[in-house]
Amino acid sequence: QVQLQQSGPGLVKPSQTLSLTCAISGDSVSSNSAAWNWIRQSPARGLEWLGRTYYRSKWYNHYAVSVKSRITINPDTSKNQFSLQLSSVTPEDTAVYYCARTNGYLDYWGQGTLVTVSS
Amino acid sequence: QSVLTQPPSASGTPGQRVTISCSGSSSNIGTNTVNWYQQFPGTAPRLLIYNNNHRPSGVPDRFSGSKSGTSASLAISGLQSEDEADYYCAAWDDSLNGRWVFGGGTKLTVL
Repeated sequence: QVQLQQSGPGLVKPSQTLSLTCAISGDSVSSNSAAWNWIRQSPARGLEWLGRTYYRSKWYNHYAVSVKSRITINPDTSKNQFSLQLSSVTPEDTAVYYCARTNGYLDYWGQGTLVTVSS
Repeated sequence: QSVLTQPPSASGTPGQRVTISCSGSSSNIGTNTVNWYQQFPGTAPRLLIYNNNHRPSGVPDRFSGSKSGTSASLAISGLQSEDEADYYCAAWDDSLNGRWVFGGGTKLTVL
């Protein structure tokens, strides 16, 4: 059974960088069939896919056009986890952030982290 | 504004059959498979249907999915009070360099 455990601060100041981590159990971040995603949900924007990292003989990253200039997703093979960094945040980035696995489809999700951008 | 279009609400009485629609385009539902999720307040979405019409283990067979052209539907038969939740459709979209896209969600009320 795959489990994803999220961690990170729930409050970030405007213009700073949002950072979250997703620890994986029951699978490997280096899996040759899975991809590891970040998705957010807010009343204004609904569910929004932000990006993914995956390993297919080498590492790939793939980001949504809407956040491409501000986002970084990194795998950490030593800890079997992956992270999200979103820079230059504004109040519009306030949302519940989820990590999720795709293995053809989004199947397993983390528990969600409410991140509020406010001074 | 969500890429996939769902009705904002649906309702039914216990035992009834309810369907929720999801409309997309040729770059998403028209080309790729559809997945459905159930979400209760304060919790993460739970996979309900994958690849148009397959149920993960543990999902009751009261839930079924279908797809035709650029639209898909989720059907819930024998409606139960515990089915009251938000339901979302999702599909891979081949535009804008590829991305997962979602419906705006349908709040199902069991009367």
